[in-house]
Formats: sequence, C-alpha cells, structure tokens
Amino acid sequence: AQSVTQLDSHVSVSEGTPVLLRCNYSSSYSPSLFWYVQHPNKGLQLLLKYTSAATLVKGINGFEAEFKKSETSFHLTKPSAHMSDAAEYFCVGSQTGANNLFFGTGTRLTVIP
Amino acid sequence: GEEVAQTPKHLVRGEGQKAKLYCAPIKGHSYVFWYQQVLKNEFKFLISFQNENVFDETGMPKERFSAKCLPNSPCSLEIQATKLEDSAVYFCASSQFQGRYNEQFFGPGTRLTVL
Repeated sequence: AQSVTQLDSHVSVSEGTPVLLRCNYSSSYSPSLFWYVQHPNKGLQLLLKYTSAATLVKGINGFEAEFKKSETSFHLTKPSAHMSDAAEYFCVGSQTGANNLFFGTGTRLTVIP
Repeated sequence: GEEVAQTPKHLVRGEGQKAKLYCAPIKGHSYVFWYQQVLKNEFKFLISFQNENVFDETGMPKERFSAKCLPNSPCSLEIQATKLEDSAVYFCASSQFQGRYNEQFFGPGTRLTVL
C-alpha cells in the first residue's frame, strides 16, 4: 500500500531559524510527492512537488525538499523561518492510475517571535 | 476562473437533512476531485471526475453520498440524510491533466456542521 507518514505532529521554531518538517513514504515504485500548506480556515496551497526530474526540489516562499530514495524520505526545509510560515503542512502522495491524493496527518508549524 | 470556487463557505444541517455543496473548477481543468477533511487533519478521498464522467468513486459512501459534474454547471456533492459523522470540511480540487505528477488546485472548502 502507498502511504506517507509525517513524523511530527507539531514543530516549533524561532523566527529566523531553520525549519525541518519530516515525511517518509511507503511505495513499491517511484512515487510522486507533494508538500501542501494550509493556513487557518483556508484551502491547501502547493509548496512544491517531486516528479523524479530532480531529487532536490525548490518551491515557493523559500521552501525546498529533498527526495532520498535510500531513506524513503521527502523532508521539507527552509533556511530561515518567517512568522507568516506558521500553518499546517501536509506531505501528500499521488496514486498511480486513480490520480487521487493520499495525505499525511499534517505537521503544525509554530513560529515564535 | 483562475481559482477553484466552493459554495457555501459554511453549511449547518440537522441530522437527517440533506446537504448540497458546489464546486466550480478552474477554467480549462478537466479533472475534479472531492476530499473530506475530518478531525482537522484526516483527509479522505471521495470521488473524482473527468469532465462529466466519474473517474474514480472508490471513496464514496454510496448509500447517502452522490456527486455530479454536468456541462456548464458547477460540480455538486450531495449528502442525503446527513449524520453527525458527516461533519467535516469538504474540499474540491481540480487539475488540468491526468497523471500522478499533475498538481491539484484546491478550493477554500465548505465546512459542514451536522447538529
């Protein structure tokens, strides 16, 4: 079965410090993976996606993620947290054939001033 | 339009009443998806469409849930005889192409509260 696991339900960082949100995937083939962000009472916005073209993926707002097949990971990072980064982050996979998405349980990022 | 539009924003129903939610995908997008977000973080896929045709309905509780995407009309998700456990945020998403590398664009969601 295909799935993604977000290892932390809540991450708290100080403004200006690095952000690391962890995601592991389970798949018998090369998956397609995404990171979405959800601000309170808002829909989901795509941050970046892995499409097998490059293992290091750069997204919007300074976020990037590295696909590591040996570790089955797709962790999201940002060098310096901003207050506006406080939100819920979802690691998401896409299922072959059916095209629908399957979601991790989310990581709430808190940024401390 | 350039964004996925969902109406209404909030919907309150008594248990047993009908609820109908609407979604207008981004213009030019052929695929529409419905997801249910319960307990704040648990997303469940419900159904997808390719234009007006059902593409995948493996997530639909068929007894009470139905959905349509008709030409020149918003897509709809209807729940007959709502239950307390249907309380959730329902998200609609659209994508231009098929394929697992194609991103889905999400609407702002409809929050359904069943009392």
